[in-house]
Amino acid sequence: DAGITQSPRHKVTETGTPVTLRCHQTENHRYMYWYRQDPGHGLRLIHYSYGVKDTDKGEVSDGYSVSRSKTEDFLLTLESATSSQTSVYFCAISESVQGADQETQYFGPGTRLLVL
Amino acid sequence: SQQGEEDPQALSIQEGENATMNCSYKTSINNLQWYRQNSGRGLVHLILIRSNEREKHSGRLRVTLDTSKKSSSLLITASRAADTASYFCATDEGSNYKLTFGKGTLLTVNP
Repeated sequence: DAGITQSPRHKVTETGTPVTLRCHQTENHRYMYWYRQDPGHGLRLIHYSYGVKDTDKGEVSDGYSVSRSKTEDFLLTLESATSSQTSVYFCAISESVQGADQETQYFGPGTRLLVL
Repeated sequence: SQQGEEDPQALSIQEGENATMNCSYKTSINNLQWYRQNSGRGLVHLILIRSNEREKHSGRLRVTLDTSKKSSSLLITASRAADTASYFCATDEGSNYKLTFGKGTLLTVNP
């Protein structure tokens, strides 16, 4: 599982509240990604990071911000949650893992977020 | 926007049969990958095929890539009930190893 954990695993929150999701990895991977998964849309990239303090937007970045102050943690923040952000959020890493191709991504277990 | 599009959206077969899923994409790629997702779990990488490769095998999996048609297929031979999952193709266009995923094919293998 490439040592990826996500927290919390489940969260229920109210519209307008801030929410921060954490992705933690233990193997010093350089690249980290945040996706959301919704029925009918598959996985869509929100933001990604290519190093400490180096981040960039993905396909669906509006309403989200990220931070990466150290290699092992990549935080996704919803500044003011909306019902349209109800989704399953997946974190992933990408870097050579014992014989794997560098481009392969390894995913965390996901966080289910419900915004009421 | 989605780069890869899987076909069919859903597939139901009997154990022991072969399952074929297709993926079409729009722009040039460095590689194409297939992932599996069991219900409620994260995605698991299955196989990667590079743009200069035409076919690749891994166990019961066979992947083909036709860059002229911008399409790929995933064949699972001698399917098992445990193969029941959603299967996604993902394309790497070469920037920071970002992947663009399709919407997936839901495979059900009936015992």
